[in-house]
Amino acid sequence: GAVVSQHPSRVICKSGTSVKIECRSLDFQATTMFWYRQFPKQSLMLMATSNEGSKATYEQGVEKDKFLINHASLTLSTLTVTSAHPEDSSFYICSASGGATNEQFFGPGTRLTVL
Amino acid sequence: DAKTTQPPSMDCAEGRAANLPCNHSTISGNEYVYWYRQIHSQGPQYIIHGLKNNETNEMASLIITEDRKSSTLILPHATLRDTAVYYCIVRPPNTGNQFYFGTGTSLTVIP
Repeated sequence: GAVVSQHPSRVICKSGTSVKIECRSLDFQATTMFWYRQFPKQSLMLMATSNEGSKATYEQGVEKDKFLINHASLTLSTLTVTSAHPEDSSFYICSASGGATNEQFFGPGTRLTVL
Repeated sequence: DAKTTQPPSMDCAEGRAANLPCNHSTISGNEYVYWYRQIHSQGPQYIIHGLKNNETNEMASLIITEDRKSSTLILPHATLRDTAVYYCIVRPPNTGNQFYFGTGTSLTVIP
């Protein structure tokens, strides 16, 4: 299947700082990318959907000013957690879809810990 | 919201077939059934998907009932590396349609 990467794989930051997570589709053009959050022992929760060149669509209850999403190219989307707090500590996963199939290919995830 | 229900956990002996059920009684006519699995602290991995007909690939088989209200994922010869959380998801076929994950089934393969 297609390859999706995320960087960094894990990050620790201080409360109040901002953290940027990158999601790249390595071998296909991703017209749509998705961001998920997963707390321990819970399922993945969809945060937002982004289409290349347009504003992201956020799920209900997700603050768009806190979780900034940019999908500037067909191979890169970024999620910035602004003014991070300990309750933002979570596993953030992106996925990408596009091309001939409608499958979603998931990245390996980014573990964020806010101290 | 997730439109599927799955048992929270299952055990399977190594080398035996693992049969994971999923109920999707409100599935629409154009919605596919997808299966993904997630090994601890990794991103979900695609397994298989189907619409009406049964499907098979190198990883698994997918059996969809005639009324499409339920399906079963079959891992023919489970190995310890198949221990994971398995998610059944239904969604329309168009690129860009969201996946809403349910709680999944935690499969433990026992030596």
